[in-house]
Amino acid sequence: EVQLVQSGAEVKKPGESLKISCKGSGYSFSNYWIAWVRQMPGKGLEFMGIIYPDDSNIVYSPSFQGQVTISADKSISIAYLQWSSLKASDTAMYYCARRYGRNFDFWGRGTLVTVSS
Amino acid sequence: QSALTQPASVSGSPGQSITISCTGTSSDVGGYHAVSWFQQHAGKAPELLIFDVVFRPSGVSDRFSGSRSGNTASLTISGLQAEDEADYYCSSYIASSTLSVFGTGTKVTVL
Repeated sequence: EVQLVQSGAEVKKPGESLKISCKGSGYSFSNYWIAWVRQMPGKGLEFMGIIYPDDSNIVYSPSFQGQVTISADKSISIAYLQWSSLKASDTAMYYCARRYGRNFDFWGRGTLVTVSS
Repeated sequence: QSALTQPASVSGSPGQSITISCTGTSSDVGGYHAVSWFQQHAGKAPELLIFDVVFRPSGVSDRFSGSRSGNTASLTISGLQAEDEADYYCSSYIASSTLSVFGTGTKVTVL
């Protein structure tokens, strides 16, 4: 069974750093793209970027380029999303999703990130 | 890359059919046979309903169907049920890139 298990909710202060994770299981993690998707409170889904774990090829959406860093460790089947300096506007639910072909077929349950002073 | 355009809300009575549109450009919706639809219930993660414009994953009700005409894709829900009340999002692969784009989302209300 394909599963994407995301790390737990985080509460951080502005300016702090953060790295959240998404662990894949039940399939060959290295050979499928993993995307990160933001959903701000009460808002829609936004594509942030995507990584191919086998060679760590990463493509960022222009809106998120330079704002976050996506990485992966294929040896332990985990993808990461990190911030070096959080802002209040980073408060959102973050989902990882597997891309099969050109479609997102499996999603994690999401990691809620709250940034507040 | 601009979000795909969806109506903010659509409503219908139980048993009726409703259609949600998703309008993009020739670089996304009209450019690839790679439009997906997702259902998101309140407080839950999105779930795939339709992929590659018209295909349903195993386990998805055949009350959900997808189509496309030019740069506009559509999701039709037939025999509307109370459990269909949720937010619906389209997405498309973007031509000549590895990127994807989501629609603005549609809230479906069952009257």
